[in-house]
Amino acid sequence: DAKTTQPPSMDCAEGRAANLPCNHSTISGNEYVYWYRQIHSQGPQYIIHGLKNNETNEMASLIITEDRKSSTLILPHATLRDTAVYYCIVRRSYNAGNMLTFGGGTRLMVKP
Amino acid sequence: ETGVTQSPTHLIKTRGQQVTLRCSSQSGHNTVSWYQQALGQGPQFIFQYYREEENGRGNFPPRFSGLQFPNYSSELNVNALELDDSALYLCASSLERQGSGNTIYFGEGSWLTVV
Repeated sequence: DAKTTQPPSMDCAEGRAANLPCNHSTISGNEYVYWYRQIHSQGPQYIIHGLKNNETNEMASLIITEDRKSSTLILPHATLRDTAVYYCIVRRSYNAGNMLTFGGGTRLMVKP
Repeated sequence: ETGVTQSPTHLIKTRGQQVTLRCSSQSGHNTVSWYQQALGQGPQFIFQYYREEENGRGNFPPRFSGLQFPNYSSELNVNALELDDSALYLCASSLERQGSGNTIYFGEGSWLTVV
């Protein structure tokens, strides 16, 4: 699976949009981009995933560049409860099972 | 709520002992996996089971073993515990489905402390 690069930490003001970038320049055509977050001492929480089109759900939006070498997770109105470590993960779309390769992630701090 | 439940939530064991951790997958999920997360690090893949057989393994020694039962529940067994085995152990389940990028759901984990 392709490796990802994320900034180690980011701050965001409460109520503002949080934009979390991820580089995955070696991604191949059959690999999805997944985002998870982990709030302190809890299990990772699935947020969203996509292949090449932008995706939106009740939690966030995922914007994938046309060349698929990078993506941005957008939390439209960050709250204090969104403070967590956010992981961007790339994995193939078939016969991948449950194996996820977690990198260092981005520690997002939402401030009042 | 992910529908993945783990037990126990916390436990303390002595070096050299054996431990069994349990996981109940989300209903209908046929693939279960286990991860180890040491303090301050990201989760590391241990192994996964599909239809009761191990079909993928990370860089963990054989003293880490597992089982998956017909009802898709699972166990992680660790023998000869070492101090470095102290970690959060996470169970994850999914329904393997080609072409759509299956969603993997995690439980809240079991905190193991080895003293």
